[in-house]
Amino acid sequence: EPEVTQTPSHQVTQMGQEVILRCVPISNHLYFYWYRQILGQKVEFLVSFYNNEISEKSEIFDDQFSVERPDGSNFTLKIRSTKLEDSAMYFCASGQGAYSNQPQHFGDGTRLSIL
Amino acid sequence: AQSVAQPEDQVNVAEGNPLTVKCTYSVSGNPYLFWYVQYPNRGLQFLLKYITGDNLVKGSYGFEAEFNKSQTSFHLKKPSALVSDSALYFCAVSPRRTGANNLFFGTGTRLTVIP
Repeated sequence: EPEVTQTPSHQVTQMGQEVILRCVPISNHLYFYWYRQILGQKVEFLVSFYNNEISEKSEIFDDQFSVERPDGSNFTLKIRSTKLEDSAMYFCASGQGAYSNQPQHFGDGTRLSIL
Repeated sequence: AQSVAQPEDQVNVAEGNPLTVKCTYSVSGNPYLFWYVQYPNRGLQFLLKYITGDNLVKGSYGFEAEFNKSQTSFHLKKPSALVSDSALYFCAVSPRRTGANNLFFGTGTRLTVIP
C-alpha cells in the first residue's frame, strides 16, 4: 500500500535557524496538509495545499511558516526562524478526493527539537 | 468554533472484553466524523468515518463507531479487545464541504488492553 514518507525522522536545530521538513505524498493524491503535535497535546491543523497554492491555514501558520511543492513529488514545510515553542512532531498528510469526507493518509512524522 | 472532546485520557480494558472510546463534538452544520489510531512512533492511521446513513459504521481491525446526532457523539467500539489494539486513538471532525478538509482532532485517548 502506498505511503506518505517524511524526512528526516528527527531534526535538531538551534533557535533562530531555518528548518525545512520534507514529505513525499502518495503519488495520485491532490490535497496536501501539514499538522503538528506538541508533546502530550492534540494534533493541530497547520495548512492545506491544493493546485500549487494554500487552500486554508490556521492561526498557528504565521509568516514564519511557508509551504512549497518544488517538484512533482515533494511537499515541504519551512520555518524561517525557529522558536523554542516550535518543538513538536510535524505530520504531513495527503488526500485523494475533492470532498472533505475523504480520509487523509499520514506520514510517520518529523520530530523537531529546537535548542 | 469547532471542538472535539475525548473525555477519557486513558481507557483500560481486559483482553476479550468489549471496549468503548468516547467522543463528543461541537461543530456547526453536519460534519464528517473520523477515528484515527496512532501507534508508537508512527503517524495517524485512518480507522473509519461517518458521512451519512446508518448510524453504525464499520471500519478497520473490527472497530465500529456509533453516531448519535442528538447527543453529538461518535463513540468508537469493538466487541472483543485485543492486546494489539493498545494505542492512542483520536476522534476528528471535518466541515462538510468540497475541497481540502481540515481535520479538527480531539486530545486523544490512550487505550491499554490488558492480557
